[in-house]
Amino acid sequence: GQNIDQPTEMTATEGAIVQINCTYQTSGFNGLFWYQQHAGEAPTFLSYNVLDGLEEKGRFSSFLSRSKGYSYLLLKELQMKDSASYLCAVKDSNYQLIWGAGTKLIIKP
Amino acid sequence: ETGVTQTPRHLVMGMTNKKSLKCEQHLGHNAMYWYKQSAKKPLELMFVYNFKEQTENNSVPSRFSPECPNSSHLFLHLHTLQPEDSALYLCASSQDPTSAGELFFGEGSRLTVL
Repeated sequence: GQNIDQPTEMTATEGAIVQINCTYQTSGFNGLFWYQQHAGEAPTFLSYNVLDGLEEKGRFSSFLSRSKGYSYLLLKELQMKDSASYLCAVKDSNYQLIWGAGTKLIIKP
Repeated sequence: ETGVTQTPRHLVMGMTNKKSLKCEQHLGHNAMYWYKQSAKKPLELMFVYNFKEQTENNSVPSRFSPECPNSSHLFLHLHTLQPEDSALYLCASSQDPTSAGELFFGEGSRLTVL
């Protein structure tokens, strides 16, 4: 079966750096997405990786290793507003999105 | 208005009621989706429409009935639901289901079935 694993919850301190990991086993691969979802709000797109390596976008970076079935989302200079759930999703060979259950990130002052 | 809008934001219904969820996208996208989001579970894809044609139906019970009159509007008709159907129902749109483009989500309709 197809599977995406990510930690259920993480806690970090304001101003620090946090890395949220995502491992996947899917039938084929057509890209990996990260979304952010604040409580009671819509998920919003953060990043897309289809080739190995690091994609940087301001305070957020996303890394992909296709051979290891592994990605991480790196958040730097954490702010209180970064408290949210972070969803990892992979497009399989049929272009269907397979979702992880999300990682709830709690930022403490 | 911009983006994807869903109404109502909150809905409480009994098991014998009939209600509908509405979604509208103002992004010019061709594909629209219904997802179910339950606490601590992955998003569950329910239905996909591409150019108004249903292309996915992920073994969803018949008590959920989608309707897509045009590529900007999507409905989810609900009848004789069960308490386990209580969840957040998210609508999303994208340019094309097979493209690398991201999904744009609405804020969701929080459904409670009593």
